[in-house]
Amino acid sequence: GQQVMQIPQYQHVQEGEDFTTYCNSSTTLSNIQWYKQRPGGHPVFLIQLVKSGEVKKQKRLTFQFGEAKKNSSLHITATQTTDVGTYFCAGLGNYGQNFVFGPGTRLSVLP
Amino acid sequence: GAVVSQHPSRVICKSGTSVKIECRSLDFQATTMFWYRQFPKQSLMLMATSNEGSKATYEQGVEKDKFLINHASLTLSTLTVTSAHPEDSSFYICSAKRTSPLGTDTQYFGPGTRLTVL
Repeated sequence: GQQVMQIPQYQHVQEGEDFTTYCNSSTTLSNIQWYKQRPGGHPVFLIQLVKSGEVKKQKRLTFQFGEAKKNSSLHITATQTTDVGTYFCAGLGNYGQNFVFGPGTRLSVLP
Repeated sequence: GAVVSQHPSRVICKSGTSVKIECRSLDFQATTMFWYRQFPKQSLMLMATSNEGSKATYEQGVEKDKFLINHASLTLSTLTVTSAHPEDSSFYICSAKRTSPLGTDTQYFGPGTRLTVL
C-alpha cells in the first residue's frame, strides 16, 4: 500500500534559523496536504498542493510539490517560537479515498 | 476554514464500559468522515473510514466489533469503543472530508477526544 515518509523526525533550531521538512511518497499523489499540530492540540490544515511543481507561500512558509508528484517540502524562513509543533504531510493517491499521513517532523525552536 | 467538533473532549471510564465519541461537521455536509488514533508523540493512524448511509471501512488490524462506527447523517459520525480496556487509552481524532467545487478534497479535523480507561 501507499507509504508516506518524512525527514527529519526531529529538528531543533535556534530562533531565526530556517527549517525544512521533506515528505516522500511511495506512489504518485493526486493531492498533498500539510498540517501543523501544536503540543496537546489537534492537526490544523495549512495548505493543499495539487499541481506538479506547484509552489505556494504563506508568509514565512513555502510549500513545494515535486514535479513527479511523489514528494513535497515545507520550508520555514526565520523560525519563531510560535512555529513549534509537529508538521505532518498527508498524501492522497490517484485512486485513494483517504489521505495517508507521514510520521511527522517535530520542530523545536530555541529562543 | 470548515469547523468540525468532537464530543467529549476528555473521558475517563472504568475497564469494561463503553464510550461513545461524536464527530460533527458544523458548516458543511460530509459524506465521508475518518477516525484516527494517535499515541503520544506519534503520527495519526487511520482506524476507519465512515461513509454516510453505509458501513464503515476498517483498516487492517482494527476490530470492527470493538470500534463501532455509525454515520447516520451528513453531519454526524459516532465512534463507540465497546468494553474498553486500558490499552484503548489514546487520543481519538475524527476528520471530515470536504470536496471543493473544483473537485479537490480537504480534510478538516476535530479537536480530538482523550480517552483514559482505568
